[in-house]
Amino acid sequence: ETGVTQSPTHLIKTRGQQVTLRCSSQSGHNTVSWYQQALGQGPQFIFQYYREEENGRGNFPPRFSGLQFPNYSSELNVNALELDDSALYLCASTGGASSYNEQFFGPGTRLTVL
Amino acid sequence: GNSVTQMEGPVTLSEEAFLTINCTYTATGYPSLFWYVQYPGEGLQLLLKATKADDKGSNKGFEATYRKETTSFHLEKGSVQVSDSAVYFCALSGNAGGTSYGKLTFGQGTILTVHP
Repeated sequence: ETGVTQSPTHLIKTRGQQVTLRCSSQSGHNTVSWYQQALGQGPQFIFQYYREEENGRGNFPPRFSGLQFPNYSSELNVNALELDDSALYLCASTGGASSYNEQFFGPGTRLTVL
Repeated sequence: GNSVTQMEGPVTLSEEAFLTINCTYTATGYPSLFWYVQYPGEGLQLLLKATKADDKGSNKGFEATYRKETTSFHLEKGSVQVSDSAVYFCALSGNAGGTSYGKLTFGQGTILTVHP
C-alpha cells in the first residue's frame, strides 16, 4: 500500500509568483485535505476535496485554490505569493476503508517565498 | 469555532522520566480527539486517538483519556526515551454530521526533548 506522497519536497519562489503543489493520496482514499504549517505553529486547515468537489474551507483567501482529479490526487495552487505564505504545506488523505476521521499525512512541501 | 490549547513548551526531560503534555479543547458536540507526532524533518504521524468521552487512546507507551467534563485530552507516558524527542500536536475533528467532521484543528505543538 502506497502512502501519501507530495511533490516537490522544497520550493523557492519570489513574492508575486504563483505556485502549484501536488499530492497523491493513499490507495483507496477519496478525500484529500491541505494544511499550512508556519514555522513553530500547528497546521492550519486550508481546504478539503471529496470526489473532486471542495468540501469545506478554512480561513484562507481565494488566491489559495485547489483541484482534485479522478484518481483522487490533488493540487494546491497559490497565486500572488506573499512572504507570509512561506510554510510547510501538508496534504492528508482519508476515506475508503479507513475511518473518515483518521487522516494520513504526507511528508510535506517546504515553500519559501523571498 | 473549534480550538485546541496545548501547554506552552518546550519540555525537557531526562530519559525514563514521566511525561505529561496538557491539552484542552473547545468544540460543540462530541469531537474526536487526536495526538500527532512530528519527528525532525518529517510529516505528521498519528500517535493515538479517542472518539468518545472516557475513551483511552494508547500507542507506544503513550496514553490519553478523553475527558468531556474538563474538555481535556492530556498526553502521558510513564518512561520517556531519547527517541521520543519530537513535536507533539493535540488535534480535534468535529463530530459526525457537522461541517468540521474530518477536518482537523490543531494546537500549537509542544517540543519535547529527552536527554540521556
